[in-house]
Amino acid sequence: EVQLVETGGGLIQPGGSLRLSCAASGFTVSSDYISWVRQTPGKGLEWVSIIYSNGNTYYAESVKGRFTISRDNSKNTVYLQMNSLRAEDTALYYCGRTPAGSGNWFHPWGRGTLVTVSS
Amino acid sequence: IVMTQSPVTLSVSPGERATLSCRASQTVSSNLAWYQQKPGQAPRLLIYGASTRATGIPARFSGSGSGTEFTLTIGSLQSEDFAVYYCQQYNTWPTFGGGTNVEIK
Repeated sequence: EVQLVETGGGLIQPGGSLRLSCAASGFTVSSDYISWVRQTPGKGLEWVSIIYSNGNTYYAESVKGRFTISRDNSKNTVYLQMNSLRAEDTALYYCGRTPAGSGNWFHPWGRGTLVTVSS
Repeated sequence: IVMTQSPVTLSVSPGERATLSCRASQTVSSNLAWYQQKPGQAPRLLIYGASTRATGIPARFSGSGSGTEFTLTIGSLQSEDFAVYYCQQYNTWPTFGGGTNVEIK
């Protein structure tokens, strides 16, 4: 069964750093594309970042220069390093899979991990 | 690309048909997906390519449209279909609509 599990969320002060993990099973992260998408009650769903099978990475303008996506093939896990966190980064963060060669739709999604940026 | 969904809330009786709309601010060709989200759960892919049902999705869910106007139709609402539905374009970097809440009438 294809599955994604996010961990690493928590309460962090503004300006702090956090690393989220997205552990995959049932497929190989290096063969497909993995995105991070966040959700808030106010702004809804927002795509954050993607890592392609060839290793190329891309970011939403709102996080560019602060967030870094990476993967560890040996652990079949994708990470999102989040630095210089702001209150507006508070959200439920999901990772989602896109089969290689497909358009950037997401299936499945993990259950999400909550990030709260607050003093 | 801004995605606009309507209506925000749709009240439907079980067994009735539901029609949800999604409009893109510029053409997205057929690069459009639909998701269902229930409280406390992650979104679930229903439709991609504007009209292709994802694996395991019942035939009562159908998608149509291209360019800037899209529709998700639920043929006969079952109790498990009451949820929030989102559209998402992937013609450029992904963007999502604000959602339509399908509630029991």
